[in-house]
Amino acid sequence: GAGVSQTPSNKVTEKGKYVELRCDPISGHTALYWYRQSLGQGPEFLIYFQGTGAADDSGLPNDRFFAVRPEGSVSTLKIQRTERGDSAVYLCASSLTGSAGQETQYFGPGTRLLVL
Amino acid sequence: KQEVTQIPAALSVPEGENLVLNCSFTDSAIYNLQWFRQDPGKGLTSLLLIQSSQREQTSGRLNASLDKSSGRSTLYIAASQPGDSATYLCAVRDNNDMRFGAGTRLTVKP
Repeated sequence: GAGVSQTPSNKVTEKGKYVELRCDPISGHTALYWYRQSLGQGPEFLIYFQGTGAADDSGLPNDRFFAVRPEGSVSTLKIQRTERGDSAVYLCASSLTGSAGQETQYFGPGTRLLVL
Repeated sequence: KQEVTQIPAALSVPEGENLVLNCSFTDSAIYNLQWFRQDPGKGLTSLLLIQSSQREQTSGRLNASLDKSSGRSTLYIAASQPGDSATYLCAVRDNNDMRFGAGTRLTVKP
């Protein structure tokens, strides 16, 4: 596709449920990033994939959060036992090679998650 | 830990004014600094990327400067237009981590 796409655009769930958020990066981009943006704040880094592997997952807040990218393209962010504090916009970005200092990251429109 | 601060948090100007948005960061060991635009309910659009070895970048009416030693960047917008109304975010990259400021919400009044 022309840009990064994310589905669903909105997700409402109940506390304690499991959710999956999907990201389709720009075709050919090997680097993929997940961020979380709370209201009135800038995005917070969660995890970075280089190809199929998670090169840096230091931003994941706890073990309820997990992400995969099994074929090196589409990625899924998984949240178990959701809590109200997980409510935020989850943004995905991709870049061509992930070479630090070299590249622009291209962002998707985000998934708005609301945990009731 | 890198901290990124943007001042002001919000700014309202009449159409046609030139304006400056400020960004400061605490750790000067960065790979690059990037300015983004975010429209309500939308993702981020990259405006300008300044590598750590560069001092400024220009694109159309936008000019971004970087002073790594003092931990500062500015985004200059010339001849502002109502279509420039959005939130502007700066982000610094060190290794895999991109750290964002909270943004400046700009309103340009016709």
